[in-house]
Amino acid sequence: NAGVTQTPKFRVLKTGQSMTLLCAQDMNHEYMYWYRQDPGMGLRLIHYSVGEGTTAKGEVPDGYNVSRLKKQNFLLGLESAAPSQTSVYFCASRPGQGLSGANVLTFGAGSRLTVL
Amino acid sequence: KNQVEQSPQSLIILEGKNCTLQCNYTVSPFSNLRWYKQDTGRGPVSLTIMTFSENTKSNGRYTATLDADTKQSSLHITASQLSDSASYICVVSVGGRSGTALIFGKGTTLSVSS
Repeated sequence: NAGVTQTPKFRVLKTGQSMTLLCAQDMNHEYMYWYRQDPGMGLRLIHYSVGEGTTAKGEVPDGYNVSRLKKQNFLLGLESAAPSQTSVYFCASRPGQGLSGANVLTFGAGSRLTVL
Repeated sequence: KNQVEQSPQSLIILEGKNCTLQCNYTVSPFSNLRWYKQDTGRGPVSLTIMTFSENTKSNGRYTATLDADTKQSSLHITASQLSDSASYICVVSVGGRSGTALIFGKGTTLSVSS
């Protein structure tokens, strides 16, 4: 039972490079989220999706893009990485509204990104 | 503005001692409140959920309380163990919405020493 899997776990980029973080869940969850976690800031929502083919902006969306082409996958892209995007990124998912366990998030283990 | 404030920011206690973490929220309309535990280098894991009608709920050595009138919740850890060292995050759900309707606190970092 894998739950939420994030790849890669670690990555170092140079300023201006692009990359994609992959999040995969095997629980048939409708909702998926990308957060970043920085010291003293807590978890902040970047983008989220309430279903396949849908995405929406969260609290800190600038500099990031996302796609949800398949229900089980949620991709987070950085088109031109900046040092301010150095952070730990967490993906999370949960069932749709009204379903059992709808309010509990299942998180991935995190992806640590460093931008030089 | 919907906000969740946690205190203290960090806490150090000796193994075997008890401690209480606080969460104050200004979220409306309130749906429920959940406590997560985040071990170093891992993603948060749910400990317990509190709904509007619940005052106290226990999960092993963890006991959560909720006072909906004062908009406060606490997480009490009894007979602490080294494995309790982690960050504890309070998350409040906004009622009647979906998607972004989760307001996160910044967490309390607990260190249990032997």
